[in-house]
Formats: sequence, structure tokens, C-alpha cells
Amino acid sequence: GESVGLHLPTLSVQEGDNSIINCAYSNSASDYFIWYKQESGKGPQFIIDIRSNMDKRQGQRVTVLLNKTVKHLSLQIAATQPGDSAVYFCAEFSGYSTLTFGKGTMLLVSP
Amino acid sequence: DAGVIQSPRHEVTEMGQEVTLRCKPISGHNSLFWYRQTMMRGLELLIYFNNNVPIDDSGMPEDRFSAKMPNASFSTLKIQPSEPRDSAVYFCASSAGTGRGYTFGSGTRLTVV
Repeated sequence: GESVGLHLPTLSVQEGDNSIINCAYSNSASDYFIWYKQESGKGPQFIIDIRSNMDKRQGQRVTVLLNKTVKHLSLQIAATQPGDSAVYFCAEFSGYSTLTFGKGTMLLVSP
Repeated sequence: DAGVIQSPRHEVTEMGQEVTLRCKPISGHNSLFWYRQTMMRGLELLIYFNNNVPIDDSGMPEDRFSAKMPNASFSTLKIQPSEPRDSAVYFCASSAGTGRGYTFGSGTRLTVV
């Protein structure tokens, strides 16, 4: 079946650096994508979403980029802070199906 | 809004015992999802309900697992009998409808010994 996957299981950065977390998806019919952040002992928390009619969307310190040509999604975090340390999941949604989650990338931010 | 509320937060039980996990979705959300999370398999969808009706239970591992949603504000996930391989974090999530993001609860960490 089609699935969502991540390139890097762990990303280590220094505080203040910009972080980029990548995600590859395989379902070309997917039309809605979400990034979730999961801190230790908590449930996944919505960060930002993007629909397939867009290629970029910005939030507070976060930007999501969507490249439909190569079926690639990325999450950029500006001025990464220790509080950003967590596991980040991308999830895709196509039509009336449910959200399919990737395996996750752990972001470690050193002070 | 208090968000999605799950109970208990932690459950330790002996193999063979019945376990019941509970979830209260966000008021007004008409879709409810049960997920299981493990290091090996990540987040797996077990079952989801739309307007209290089970829509897809293909992710339920086996007949030992069952889920109900008797009304719009309550759902249960039951494992009977429980086995050590059921140890995981179980999340409940709700959403306002198709194509909308999910709000997750804090999860129930289940340990079966």
C-alpha cells in the first residue's frame, strides 16, 4: 500500500539554528498534509497544514513547503529553541480516507 | 475546551485480564479515532467512528480488540484477554469532519505483564 515516509530518523541542531525536517509521500492523490509535533508523554499536536493547491504556507516560526512534482513535504523551523525538541510527524490525507502518518523524525536541540 | 480526554493515563495489568480504555472527544466533533503507538510500528489507526458509527475497523489487530461509541461524547476500546504484545500507548483523537485535522488526547500507556 502507499505510505508516508521520512528521510531522517533523528536531527540534531544547535539552539538558534534553522531546522528542516523532510517527508516523502507516495500517494499522488493526497490533497491535504499536516505536520504534528509530539513531545515526550504527550499526544501529537497540530503544527501547520497545507493543501495541495498551495506550495508554501507560513506560521509562527514554521514554514511548510510542498513539492507535488517529487511528492515531498518539508517543515522548516526558524531559530530553533530547546522547546522545539520533539518527534515530528507528517501526515497525508486523500479524499475521504483517514490521515496516514509517517514514522516520525526526532529533533534534538542543544543549548 | 478541555480537549480530548482519555483515561486512565497509565494502566498496568496482568496477561489475560480485560482492559478498558476511555475517551471523551471534543464537543461538536463528529469523527473519533483510536490509534496505537509503538516504537516499532509508529502510529497505527485501529478504528474510527463517524457520527458514532464504526466506519473502518480494519486496523483492529484481532478479535481480542473491540471498540464502542454509545454516544457522541464517549468511546471505549476494550482488550480481552490482554497480552504482553498489546503494551503500547493508545491515543484517541477527534475531528470536526472529513478532511479536517485531528486533535489527540494525551494517551493511555498500557503495560501488560
